[in-house]
Amino acid sequence: EPEVTQTPSHQVTQMGQEVILRCVPISNHLYFYWYRQILGQKVEFLVSFYNNEISEKSEIFDDQFSVERPDGSNFTLKIRSTKLEDSAMYFCATETRDSSYEQYFGPGTRLTVT
Amino acid sequence: QKEVEQNSGPLSVPEGAIASLNCTYSDRVSQSFFWYRQYSGKSPELIMSIYSNGDKEDGRFTAQLNKASQYVSLLIRDSQPSDSATYLCAVMSGGSNYKLTFGKGTLLTVNP
Repeated sequence: EPEVTQTPSHQVTQMGQEVILRCVPISNHLYFYWYRQILGQKVEFLVSFYNNEISEKSEIFDDQFSVERPDGSNFTLKIRSTKLEDSAMYFCATETRDSSYEQYFGPGTRLTVT
Repeated sequence: QKEVEQNSGPLSVPEGAIASLNCTYSDRVSQSFFWYRQYSGKSPELIMSIYSNGDKEDGRFTAQLNKASQYVSLLIRDSQPSDSATYLCAVMSGGSNYKLTFGKGTLLTVNP
């Protein structure tokens, strides 16, 4: 069964450094999302992406964040200058929007900012 | 602010019993509703989706939706220890808004 994959599984970085989190969507999925989950808290929406454009973004998704699909397969989330409060699990989710709106999540990247 | 509320639990049931998980949401125009299971340290795994009022059954799982009461529930029949996890309710508002708003989840423990 096709799955969403994410790399790396764990990233440790120093405050102020740039990180890029990568996602490979399920092959026929066209709608992509990033969510994050701070330890012990809710899963929170960051951004949605379709047809090489951001569809919607949350208040969390400020100028330090960006997304792109550079090669037609990978879907990336970049954080330009990481802060301690960016430490969280980051999940990529993808969707076909054929007859349902079901979003399938990747395994996540644990980002630790020190 | 669109809210999704769940009892945080823990909800403890014996093996073989029915587990009942509940969720309420604040946005009346919400169209699509989902239950995810999340094991500790893992990602959310989709269990059920439901879009119209009534019941939807899939194996041991039944989702129930009542839009008038803004209420969604998940029943797990013949609960197994492997069902022990946090169950997340997620709501999609619809229209041009396809993001999921999650509740904090209910921790279910199934005791052998």
